Amino acid sequence: GAGVSQTPSNKVTEKGKYVELRCDPISGHTALYWYRQSLGQGPEFLIYFQGTGAADDSGLPNDRFFAVRPEGSVSTLKIQRTERGDSAVYLCASSSDLSGNMYFGPGTRLTVL
Amino acid sequence: GNSVTQMEGPVTLSEEAFLTINCTYTATGYPSLFWYVQYPGEGLQLLLKATKADDKGSNKGFEATYRKETTSFHLEKGSVQVSDSAVYFCALIPRNTGNQFYFGTGTSLTVIP
Repeated sequence: GAGVSQTPSNKVTEKGKYVELRCDPISGHTALYWYRQSLGQGPEFLIYFQGTGAADDSGLPNDRFFAVRPEGSVSTLKIQRTERGDSAVYLCASSSDLSGNMYFGPGTRLTVL
Repeated sequence: GNSVTQMEGPVTLSEEAFLTINCTYTATGYPSLFWYVQYPGEGLQLLLKATKADDKGSNKGFEATYRKETTSFHLEKGSVQVSDSAVYFCALIPRNTGNQFYFGTGTSLTVIP
């Protein structure tokens, strides 16, 4: 079956612009996670959804970052007024439970010039 | 707080050599522990896990034992293959807060024929 997909695979934008990153989880997975991975680092937690609600958004670095999952499936990570420090690979993962069996997407590489 | 410290890379080994990648953790309570692997050009995938002290996770010839006394979860394989070349991430999820994973910085392994 289909895995987690993320679009776009690459996004180049200018400082100050708005971007949206999309994640399509595995069908039926109720848990969805966003992580950010900077070069040479491990993934850093941003936000977790259980169904439609953001159960834990403590990892969002500031109020320029926002994520939604309106129908409990597809999620969009939104970044306003992008800064060069936002450049990273943004990873999405989904899971059917809390056992740690997360399935990661290939990521979106965001570059802010 | 919660954190994971991994052995610095990169690691280069000859085929059939013995592999150890060290991982130690700090956590409130007793976490579940994981190793994730990222093969070139692919997304992160779960390699193995252990959910309580003295548990041994194993998969594809890799093993790791949850050592509470040394707060460690070292990854081992007796005989590596070229196809094991990848980046390996140690991670934990705190007990009773199953929504935020903490990853190490990753260890790059290259196996040469």
